[in-house]
Amino acid sequence: GAVVSQHPSWVICKSGTSVKIECRSLDFQATTMFWYRQFPKQSLMLMATSNEGSKATYEQGVEKDKFLINHASLTLSTLTVTSAHPEDSSFYICSAPPAFGGSYNEQFFGPGTRLTVL
Amino acid sequence: QKEVEQNSGPLSVPEGAIASLNCTYSDRGSQSFFWYRQYSGKSPELIMSIYSNGDKEDGRFTAQLNKASQYVSLLIRDSQPSDSATYLCAVNEGAQKLVFGQGTRLTINP
Repeated sequence: GAVVSQHPSWVICKSGTSVKIECRSLDFQATTMFWYRQFPKQSLMLMATSNEGSKATYEQGVEKDKFLINHASLTLSTLTVTSAHPEDSSFYICSAPPAFGGSYNEQFFGPGTRLTVL
Repeated sequence: QKEVEQNSGPLSVPEGAIASLNCTYSDRGSQSFFWYRQYSGKSPELIMSIYSNGDKEDGRFTAQLNKASQYVSLLIRDSQPSDSATYLCAVNEGAQKLVFGQGTRLTINP
């Protein structure tokens, strides 16, 4: 089946620092990847759509200068949380629909990255 | 604003019984519907997708879709304690984007 990995699985950082999270599709190519954020006891909220070879598309209310997204290849997207603050502490999850084969709308999720900002 | 509504629960079901999870959506143009299972502290896992009206069965899981009523459900037969999780209903918003419901927390009691 389609496998998506994320690294790191958890990170603790000081307020004001930047944190980079990687999302990789291991056995398929993904021209599009999605980044979600999930706060405790809440559902997934889409932050942005990462597009290979072009700029990311951000959802309303998400600061593009704070959450930098780079889709460097057909198997890698990165999310950088810049100048992180305690309110950015959350569970960040990426997902990817296969570019070829499978169902067009099926998405496979990475294991998530738990970010804690002190 | 496209919306997906679920009863947040918690829903408690005895082991061996049928668990029934429901979801309604606002966008009549939606074409793809998904059920994800999420264990505490983990990311969502796709368990069912359904695209046409009617029932779709996969093992102990049955997804039901009624586009006229804008309603999708998930039935879990012979519920097991390992089925205890939060179940997320998701509906496509076009361009492969998904809109998620708030999730229903299901507990299977031994």
